[in-house]
Amino acid sequence: DQQVKQNSPSLSVQEGRISILNCDYTNSMFDYFLWYKKYPAEGPTFLISISSIKDKNEDGRFTVFLNKSAKHLSLHIVPSQPGDSAVYFCAASRIDDKIIFGKGTRLHILP
Amino acid sequence: EAGVTQFPSHSVIEKGQTVTLRCDPISGHDNLYWYRRVMGKEIKFLLHFVKESKQDESGMPNNRFLAERTGGTYSTLKVQPAELEDSGVYFCASSQVQGPLYGYTFGSGTRLTVV
Repeated sequence: DQQVKQNSPSLSVQEGRISILNCDYTNSMFDYFLWYKKYPAEGPTFLISISSIKDKNEDGRFTVFLNKSAKHLSLHIVPSQPGDSAVYFCAASRIDDKIIFGKGTRLHILP
Repeated sequence: EAGVTQFPSHSVIEKGQTVTLRCDPISGHDNLYWYRRVMGKEIKFLLHFVKESKQDESGMPNNRFLAERTGGTYSTLKVQPAELEDSGVYFCASSQVQGPLYGYTFGSGTRLTVV
């Protein structure tokens, strides 16, 4: 019973275009949503987060959108760069509780 | 500052053997987490220490897994006896503040292969 679902195992995007990674969740009690990025043989690194009381958070090329009614969030990367090729994990948590991760989406940025 | 360090980076053991994984969190981080990722699956929570106390061990799969954090510094995760399904990458993470607000800092993981 996965609480955080990433239904696309992989995504390929042309360099310079927008990458959109999607995530769905089932627990309406989550307070925070996070995105982590992972390169091979490395641990996940924190990328960006959003509180459940907001619907958008932006940090440079990265923007996370939250649609609470649909229990859906997405990460937009604009413009996509070769170094963005990695596995992206969507995650969620209640405040003062553990972070729960999805299965990840592998993003390939094509030259 | 030094990051989260995990040792060893890789371990190959036979079914039935014992393996001990070690994690050194960032200095001053009271919160230490263990996670595991089986190939292609989600990064799954195992347990959470606050200093030397187990705050949440709801993700520990069974009693073959034993985690300790003596003195509230480094932590070990022992698997005894190891089974084939224990194979995966074990990640350790630490944080200064409990909860998700600033994310956790992860180590590079220990890739465990049980044959």
